[in-house]
Amino acid sequence: GAVVSQHPSRVICKSGTSVKIECRSLDFQATTMFWYRQFPKQSLMLMATSNEGSKATYEQGVEKDKFLINHASLTLSTLTVTSAHPEDSSFYICSARETVYNEQFFGPGTRLTVL
Amino acid sequence: KNEVEQSPQNLTAQEGEFITINCSYSVGISALHWLQQHPGGGIVSLFMLSSGKKKHGRLIATINIQEKHSSLHITASHPRDSAVYICAVSPNSGGSNYKLTFGKGTLLTVNP
Repeated sequence: GAVVSQHPSRVICKSGTSVKIECRSLDFQATTMFWYRQFPKQSLMLMATSNEGSKATYEQGVEKDKFLINHASLTLSTLTVTSAHPEDSSFYICSARETVYNEQFFGPGTRLTVL
Repeated sequence: KNEVEQSPQNLTAQEGEFITINCSYSVGISALHWLQQHPGGGIVSLFMLSSGKKKHGRLIATINIQEKHSSLHITASHPRDSAVYICAVSPNSGGSNYKLTFGKGTLLTVNP
């Protein structure tokens, strides 16, 4: 089956630093990738839709200058949390849409802890 | 009212029992997904359905488009099936770009 990887799986950083999370589709090309955030015991919340070669589309209430998304190739999208604060601590998950059947495959997630 | 409703919210079963999780939705969809999330967070895509029924091992997913309802069945349940099961739909609206709308999930606990 299709595989999506995320790196790192877990990151701890100090308040004010920036953190980059990578999402890769390993065996298929993904023109569209999605970034989600999940707080404990809550459902996934879509943050933004990342389209290869164009600007990401952000959901209402998500600061585009704080959560920078780059989708430079058909297999890689990155999410950079800039000037991270403790309230940004969360579980970040990406998914990638394959273009034959439009099925989405999810990455394993990245747990971010901001001290 | 959420566009995607799952029931039950929590489910506890004994090993070997047959399990059913239900999902109802209120919008037109192009596809419905069943996802599994284990403690620790990683999400696995179990099924994508647009009609009928799919089977994979002990898992069966069905969908009734007219009734806007889907069920996920687990036969011969096992403690390793313990996880949160999430129903998600791709709304059939123009320009949705395949964004998913998620149910709140069903926490399944299978006791040995």
